[in-house]
Amino acid sequence: EPEVTQTPSHQVTQMGQEVILRCVPISNHLYFYWYRQILGQKVEFLVSFYNNEISEKSEIFDDQFSVERPDGSNFTLKIRSTKLEDSAMYFCASSLDSLYGYTFGSGTRLTVV
Amino acid sequence: QKEVEQDPGPLSVPEGAIVSLNCTYSNSAFQYFMWYRQYSRKGPELLMYTYSSGNKEDGRFTAQVDKSSKYISLFIRDSQPSDSATYLCAMTPHAGGTSYGKLTFGQGTILTVHP
Repeated sequence: EPEVTQTPSHQVTQMGQEVILRCVPISNHLYFYWYRQILGQKVEFLVSFYNNEISEKSEIFDDQFSVERPDGSNFTLKIRSTKLEDSAMYFCASSLDSLYGYTFGSGTRLTVV
Repeated sequence: QKEVEQDPGPLSVPEGAIVSLNCTYSNSAFQYFMWYRQYSRKGPELLMYTYSSGNKEDGRFTAQVDKSSKYISLFIRDSQPSDSATYLCAMTPHAGGTSYGKLTFGQGTILTVHP
């Protein structure tokens, strides 16, 4: 069964450093998303991406965050200057249309120290 | 009022029991309702997907939506230890076309089915 692949599974970074979280969505999918889940809290929407541009973003997704689909297969989330409160599980998801086949990856656990 | 509310539990039931999981919501624009299962340190896995009000059945799982009460439910029949996980409700106003599929999740209910 097709799956969304995320790397790395766990990343530890120092506060203030830049991190890039990587995702390979399902190959024929057109919509791409990032969500995050702080330990013990809800899964929260960060951003959706369609047709090579951001289509919607939450208030969490401020200027420190950016997304890119650099080569037609990878989908990345960059955090420019990490804060302690950015520590969370980050999930990538993709879908064929905005609901059909909506599939999440296993996540990247980001720990900011 | 929170947009989506879900009792986090934990809920512990014996094997074979019928499990009832619920969410309430405040945004009347929500039209599409999903239930996800999440194992520890894994991503959410889609279980059921329903549109508007009504019931949908898939094997041991039944999803119900009551839009008039802004209330959704997931029933698990003949529960198994392998059903032990966190169950998340999620919902969105949009589907298809150029709409963008932002999901709003509940807190998740931790379920343990003991042998």
